[in-house]
Amino acid sequence: EDQVTQSPEALRLQEGESSSLNCSYTVSGLRGLFWYRQDPGKGPEFLFTLYSAGEEKEKERLKATLTKKESFLHITAPKPEDSATYLCAVQARSGNTPLVFGKGTRLSVIA
Amino acid sequence: NAGVTQTPKFQVLKTGQSMTLQCAQDMNHEYMSWYRQDPGMGLRLIHYSVGAGITDQGEVPNGYNVSRSTTEDFPLRLLSAAPSQTSVYFCASSSEPRDRKIFGSGTQLSVL
Repeated sequence: EDQVTQSPEALRLQEGESSSLNCSYTVSGLRGLFWYRQDPGKGPEFLFTLYSAGEEKEKERLKATLTKKESFLHITAPKPEDSATYLCAVQARSGNTPLVFGKGTRLSVIA
Repeated sequence: NAGVTQTPKFQVLKTGQSMTLQCAQDMNHEYMSWYRQDPGMGLRLIHYSVGAGITDQGEVPNGYNVSRSTTEDFPLRLLSAAPSQTSVYFCASSSEPRDRKIFGSGTQLSVL
């Protein structure tokens, strides 16, 4: 069974304090790993897709990396507007298997 | 703006009532899906569709029905609502299963 575990559940950072969020996964052949951002009362917003180990993607203060067992979302010098819940999801290679989501990491950035 | 539109945004039902959550997308996406999001549980897949006329069950399909008569619309039906169906429901679409999902803004449902 495909599984995604995100840690920590919640993270509180001071503005400018860099850190990383972890997403560990088990999947029967990875088709893609996705990172989403979700603000309160809104739907998830797509950030990145990673397809193979060693791949990295960046967007502003965020950088996502992928190994064969986990992905990291690195946040460099965060700002209060980066506060949100960050969701990780995996999709297996076989057939039309849908996304399996982790429970998310709730990030708070304090000014 | 192009995207995924969900209606209603909020709904309160009594146990046993039925209703349909609407989802429409204008991006000509073949793949559409419904998720529910509960505190501490993450997003769980209810049903999905890979194209008009084709639907399949996800992780938590019991108590829900879907149909896909057009590419644009993918309604979710609750035939007899139960308190356990109190949740936030999200519809998502993508051009292919591998592609990034575009999510709607959600429907907050309370069943009393």
